[in-house]
Amino acid sequence: QSVLTQPPSVSAAPGQMVTISCSGSSSNIGNNYVSWYQQLPGTAPKLLIYGNNKRPSGIPDRFSGSKSGASATLGVTGLQTGDEADYYCGTWDSSLSAWVFGGGTKLTVL
Amino acid sequence: EVQLVESGGGLVQPGGSLRLSCAASGFTFSTYRMNWVRQAPGKGLEWVSYIKNNSQTIYYADSVKGRFTISRDSAKNSLYLQMNSLRAEDTAVYYCARFCAVHDPHTKYYYYYMDVWGKGTTVTVSS
Repeated sequence: QSVLTQPPSVSAAPGQMVTISCSGSSSNIGNNYVSWYQQLPGTAPKLLIYGNNKRPSGIPDRFSGSKSGASATLGVTGLQTGDEADYYCGTWDSSLSAWVFGGGTKLTVL
Repeated sequence: EVQLVESGGGLVQPGGSLRLSCAASGFTFSTYRMNWVRQAPGKGLEWVSYIKNNSQTIYYADSVKGRFTISRDSAKNSLYLQMNSLRAEDTAVYYCARFCAVHDPHTKYYYYYMDVWGKGTTVTVSS
């Protein structure tokens, strides 16, 4: 059971938009910044979003992040088949003194 | 090019030990905090351990506390994970990841994230 809760899967058609939620508590998301990671099949995770809504260099603006209270959301617009991957949210948990990840969400582009 | 390369994985019997290494290049290793993250077969990411750049602050996940030891050698630009008393549930791909701590001047808080990951090394605990 992960400290952060994500839906196991989401799906949408190419060109459409999808959102992935990440729910936590005041000890993690509520008082810390969230980052998001993309893991393509058979590869290592890759940083997608940091500081709730910032994109590293090279990440297209089709990917966006937001946070409200103890929840965060990853948005992906203009879906492409290459976006099919597992997506994880992560943040520091101040009560646990530990980094916590969500359980991951598998994105399928139909 | 900024790069992290893990090594040291393999097959080990339950109760055995293994030492993982992570070689860093392309950046000033001594100024960065580092993490180990693992992923069991078919499962999600699990954070394992964190070490500050000066090694003075170290954290472990409860699942490995007392069995695993994280360390670093800035002279060798390397991160290590000594794993003792290994169990079947420790079977996973182990990734090292660079940990960034950036001060936000607007909120005065730090935001943390893992911006560089290695390709991972596989640890299998089985008899």
